Amino acid sequence: AQSVTQLDSQVPVFEEAPVELRCNYSSSVSVYLFWYVQYPNQGLQLLLKYLSGSTLVKGINGFEAEFNKSQTSFHLRKPSVHISDTAEYFCAVSDYFGNEKLTFGTGTRLTIIP
Amino acid sequence: EAGVTQFPSHSVIEKGQTVTLRCDPISGHDNLYWYRRVMGKEIKFLLHFVKESKQDESGMPNNRFLAERTGGTYSTLKVQPAELEDSGVYFCASSRRAGGGDTQYFGPGTRLTVL
Repeated sequence: AQSVTQLDSQVPVFEEAPVELRCNYSSSVSVYLFWYVQYPNQGLQLLLKYLSGSTLVKGINGFEAEFNKSQTSFHLRKPSVHISDTAEYFCAVSDYFGNEKLTFGTGTRLTIIP
Repeated sequence: EAGVTQFPSHSVIEKGQTVTLRCDPISGHDNLYWYRRVMGKEIKFLLHFVKESKQDESGMPNNRFLAERTGGTYSTLKVQPAELEDSGVYFCASSRRAGGGDTQYFGPGTRLTVL
């Protein structure tokens, strides 16, 4: 079984400032890692995912995340945020061995302050 | 390419009533998933269809929930009878492949309120 921890439930950030949203996971097997975003009144949209290879993954809208196996982390970063980044962000994992279901964290609500 | 659609977007019912949620996956996606988010908590897996077969229903809360996928196309999730704790947002997702880190595409969700 896996679990995902997003310690920050809310993160306020000034516009054009950098942001990091933290995600840690626990699993007894290797996992795939995902970040999804939910904009107001919309469904979840994939931002990026890590399957294998380079530990730095680039996604849409200028976001990137780094997989750190030793720290079991997959933090999401953006160097300069915009008002349009206001949304809820979800970290999720699925395992390598055919169990396709996603296990999600509780989400981080990112608020951009003008 | 049309995305995953869900109907209705909102449903308000009284305890003891029946509600049926519908999900239309992306065309050609054999894999269909249901998830639920209870307010303030994480999004939790309910079940996974491959075509019309239930591959994994380990997340279904109890036997008041019944999911079907007719002919491997759209899916319905029926709650009968509904209880207060069933309130939440129900998401449907679909993917072309199962596993291998294939992307699951999510619908906008159905917000269910049980009074």
